[in-house]
Amino acid sequence: QVTLKESGPVLVKPTETLTLTCTVSGFSLRNGGMGVSWIRQPPGRALEWLAHIFSNDEKSYSTSLRNRLTISEDTSKSQVVLTMTNMAPVDTATYYCARSEAYEWDYWGQGTLVTVSS
Amino acid sequence: QSALTQPASVSGSPGQSITISCTGTSSDVGNYNLVSWYQQHPGKAPKLMIYEDSRRPSGVSNRFSGSKSGNTASLTISGLQAEDEADYYCCSYAGSTTYVFGSGTKVTVL
Repeated sequence: QVTLKESGPVLVKPTETLTLTCTVSGFSLRNGGMGVSWIRQPPGRALEWLAHIFSNDEKSYSTSLRNRLTISEDTSKSQVVLTMTNMAPVDTATYYCARSEAYEWDYWGQGTLVTVSS
Repeated sequence: QSALTQPASVSGSPGQSITISCTGTSSDVGNYNLVSWYQQHPGKAPKLMIYEDSRRPSGVSNRFSGSKSGNTASLTISGLQAEDEADYYCCSYAGSTTYVFGSGTKVTVL
């Protein structure tokens, strides 16, 4: 049974760095072709793709947020970590991690709401 | 990349068919056969409904179908049911291992 679960702070202050962890089970991050993305959704707004990491450790980032994002994996812990620097109130959103075997996401975590406020 | 354009809302009566459009550019929707569609109920995570423009994952009702013409992809829901009331998002591969989502469409069952 494939599951993904996001964890991290509920509240961060402006200018702080956000670190989110996605813990996966039911599949291996080492499996060829497997990947995990981070996707966010501000309250009442659309989904936005942020970053992706492949099983070969190749990484890709949203063009508009590339300078603020870092995605990494700890295969021994079955975790994918996203860091986003210089957080601002506009970054308030539910952050999802999701699995892909190709060019779509077939399993999603439940999401974690992160609020940016002083 | 700019978000793909979807109508803000679409509605239909039970049993009817509705179609949601998703318009991109020749750099994303029109350049790859890699549009996917997601259904999202309030407070829930998105669910994959269609991938590679028109393929349906196992377990998804055959009332859902996808198609594409040029830079516009479409999701059709036939035999509309109350449980289909949700938000729907398209997403396209945009090259260089990047992706772009649509603006989202709220489907209302009258």
